[in-house]
Amino acid sequence: DVKVTQSSRYLVKRTGEKVFLECVQDMDHENMFWYRQDPGLGLRLIYFSYDVKMKEKGDIPEGYSVSREKKERFSLILESASTNQTSMYLCASHSGPSYEQYFGPGTRLTVT
Amino acid sequence: AQKITQTQPGMFVQEKEAVTLDCTYDTSDPSYGLFWYKQPSSGEMIFLIYQGSYDQQNATEGRYSLNFQKARKSANLVISASQLGDSAMYFCAMREGGTGFQKLVFGTGTRLLVSP
Repeated sequence: DVKVTQSSRYLVKRTGEKVFLECVQDMDHENMFWYRQDPGLGLRLIYFSYDVKMKEKGDIPEGYSVSREKKERFSLILESASTNQTSMYLCASHSGPSYEQYFGPGTRLTVT
Repeated sequence: AQKITQTQPGMFVQEKEAVTLDCTYDTSDPSYGLFWYKQPSSGEMIFLIYQGSYDQQNATEGRYSLNFQKARKSANLVISASQLGDSAMYFCAMREGGTGFQKLVFGTGTRLLVSP
């Protein structure tokens, strides 16, 4: 059974803190993605990665960075969390021949 | 300009009836793919159905079918014989370019409520 896991379902952080969101997939997928989901805006792509140590900016990269040191793990970093980064964060993975992106359960982050 | 447009913020349907969720898209790339995902209240995104731009027939997966009208740039999801468990958010998404490149653009979603 394919699996994408995220380190936390719920997270509460203070403004200015450095925040790490971790995502792990067990499918040996090359491609991994970070989205944020906000009501009325759908899912928006923050960053994605084709391979280890490779990263590309998505549509809304400002205020975020990523790290992919191992193929199975893709981390999203909020260098200095702000209240406007309160959101649901979804990680996904994908392999070339397949149509489907597999999603993790999401992390609901609240920044106070 | 919006690449994926879902104009129905919410839809209601009675159990066992069919429902159509609208999706229009905008692209100049001749090679693209269209997806529908379901998101129940638990939050996970569940892949439902896929249609490639060169596919001659409309995609079907069980009770789900995709009404693909290329000239109108629409990719509506049809759910036949609705069930209570179909109550969820539904997102339309598009991939531009070949299948190896999977950057998706999502619509804003439609919340479907199925009543007994």
